[in-house]
Amino acid sequence: AQSVTQLGSHVSVSEGALVLLRCNYSSSVPPYLFWYVQYPNQGLQLLLKYTSAATLVKGINGFEAEFKKSETSFHLTKPSAHMSDAAEYFCAVSDRHYQLIWGAGTKLIIKP
Amino acid sequence: DAGITQSPRHKVTETGTPVTLRCHQTENHRYMYWYRQDPGHGLRLIHYSYGVKDTDKGEVSDGYSVSRSKTEDFLLTLESATSSQTSVYFCAISVRLSSEPLNTGELFFGEGSRLTVL
Repeated sequence: AQSVTQLGSHVSVSEGALVLLRCNYSSSVPPYLFWYVQYPNQGLQLLLKYTSAATLVKGINGFEAEFKKSETSFHLTKPSAHMSDAAEYFCAVSDRHYQLIWGAGTKLIIKP
Repeated sequence: DAGITQSPRHKVTETGTPVTLRCHQTENHRYMYWYRQDPGHGLRLIHYSYGVKDTDKGEVSDGYSVSRSKTEDFLLTLESATSSQTSVYFCAISVRLSSEPLNTGELFFGEGSRLTVL
């Protein structure tokens, strides 16, 4: 069965610092991978997705993620954190039955 | 905005009572999903639908049933609510280009329904 692991339930960075949120997956087939963001009291929205085109995927709000097959990773990065980036971030992989398998989420905290 | 509304947004109920949550979409999408979100568990799929009267179970379907009699409405029912079903419930629809594989679709989420079972 496929699984998704997000390292760190909480990540804290200073405003202006690099954001790195880690996601590793297990998959027996080439995966489709997603990052979603959830702001407080809202539903989730798509940040970016990898669907076997370029391995470096650019998303909204300056975020990007790199698919590394050899490391089974799809880490999310942003060069400079904004206060408005404070939210919970979810990594997900699609399985052969067209369902999404979700990571447990990482809360990003931005320190002024 | 994918035109998804969930109702009610908040509900407090007592153990053993039936509860129905409604998800309504305005854009005629085929695939609809019900998830629950709990701290430390991410999102877990309860049931999904791939068309009118076509539904299937997700990973945490016990204690839940669903119905889809019209394309635009997907109902989630807790026949006899328990405290373990206290959660935030999200409805989602899958939107994709017809040229894309099924499992690359973007999910659009409703704003959630917070259910408390006392």
